[in-house]
Amino acid sequence: GAVVSQHPSWVICKSGTSVKIECRSLDFQATTMFWYRQFPKQSLMLMATSNEGSKATYEQGVEKDKFLINHASLTLSTLTVTSAHPEDSSFYICSAIAGTETQYFGPGTRLLVL
Amino acid sequence: QQPVQSPQAVILREGEDAVINCSSSKALYSVHWYRQKHGEAPVFLMILLKGGEQKGHEKISASFNEKKQQSSLYLTASQLSYSGTYFCAPNFGNEKLTFGTGTRLTIIP
Repeated sequence: GAVVSQHPSWVICKSGTSVKIECRSLDFQATTMFWYRQFPKQSLMLMATSNEGSKATYEQGVEKDKFLINHASLTLSTLTVTSAHPEDSSFYICSAIAGTETQYFGPGTRLLVL
Repeated sequence: QQPVQSPQAVILREGEDAVINCSSSKALYSVHWYRQKHGEAPVFLMILLKGGEQKGHEKISASFNEKKQQSSLYLTASQLSYSGTYFCAPNFGNEKLTFGTGTRLTIIP
């Protein structure tokens, strides 16, 4: 149980384009979902917290107009990187919780912006 | 503020033991521990909820000293599969996790 999927697992795009990443909880309803970013050889950094039906809460320093988060249902959250640039290349990971504080992580999405 | 882990990296021979420490400058509500293999998402190991609590998971156990704002992860008789980067991730009381600086563990035969 408690499986979280992400799609796509890999994406390569040109600078200036927008990329959408989906995060789904497959066998449970997620009260809250989180989005993290991880650069090579660094730790995971929380970008934002999203709850179904409400606006996401962004961490300090994260541009909310650049990283759009939509939590449309209890099983789906999407992260859209708008006008992506090479410095946005990173490993994006989502996680979800369902009533307890244990976070279940998706497999991650590797983004490369050329 | 990001929790600090020590050591930053450690190399062990198969069968040896290791201790990974996690220190926070803020009071901790709970501590989560994760292991991440290269190119993969972190995998949940355990959560410690109370001060002084110890938990075990196979040959991996952990302690949590709430007063000292520290947690330690103990790996006993390490196996090759234990290789990876270990992260502590404290919860400061608001559902969010703050991942530590990480400890890279390499097990050699």
